[in-house]
Amino acid sequence: DQQVKQNSPSLSVQEGRISILNCDYTNSMFDYFLWYKKYPAEGPTFLISISSIKDKNEDGRFTVFLNKSAKHLSLHIVPSQPGDSAVYFCAASGNGGSNYKLTFGKGTLLTVNP
Amino acid sequence: ETGVTQTPRHLVMGMTNKKSLKCEQHLGHNAMYWYKQSAKKPLELMFVYNFKEQTENNSVPSRFSPECPNSSHLFLHLHTLQPEDSALYLCASSQSSLNNQPQHFGDGTRLSIL
Repeated sequence: DQQVKQNSPSLSVQEGRISILNCDYTNSMFDYFLWYKKYPAEGPTFLISISSIKDKNEDGRFTVFLNKSAKHLSLHIVPSQPGDSAVYFCAASGNGGSNYKLTFGKGTLLTVNP
Repeated sequence: ETGVTQTPRHLVMGMTNKKSLKCEQHLGHNAMYWYKQSAKKPLELMFVYNFKEQTENNSVPSRFSPECPNSSHLFLHLHTLQPEDSALYLCASSQSSLNNQPQHFGDGTRLSIL
């Protein structure tokens, strides 16, 4: 049973527009959420995180929104650039003991067209 | 340039071979992790080490044997693997496995079992 779900396997966006990547989770014990970006033949690179005490965290062009009641988070990239084309993974963890381990979604392939 | 280095990048081995994957981190972290990524599946946590002590074994078959001689190095010893073990094996590190911290990944070893 997948506890972190990225229901869109792929997303295509025009350069300069907003990219919105979505993630849903089922485990109410999760309280820390991360987004990773992965290029082919490279490992995942940490992008941005958010704690459950916040509903928004912003870092440059990247903003993560958390809706705890809906168990939903999203990553907004604006403006999108061709170099943002990659697979984006959502991950989540709880707190205490083994709950700190990360649970990943399957990823969403973002393609930003020039 | 990643602070987590994995070797080899690619490995082809027969089912009766013994080989080892190596991971080294240059980030001064105290926790190290092995993940498996199979096609169409999320990253699966295999093992966690915190200050050289194994703190998590995620029901991994004994044909995978981890070793962590110090906080900077992590090995995964492979013995009599099965074709379904073909996957991308990713190493990661973080400040500690006992709190919410981003994990930093290496570029992985692509393993193919003949």
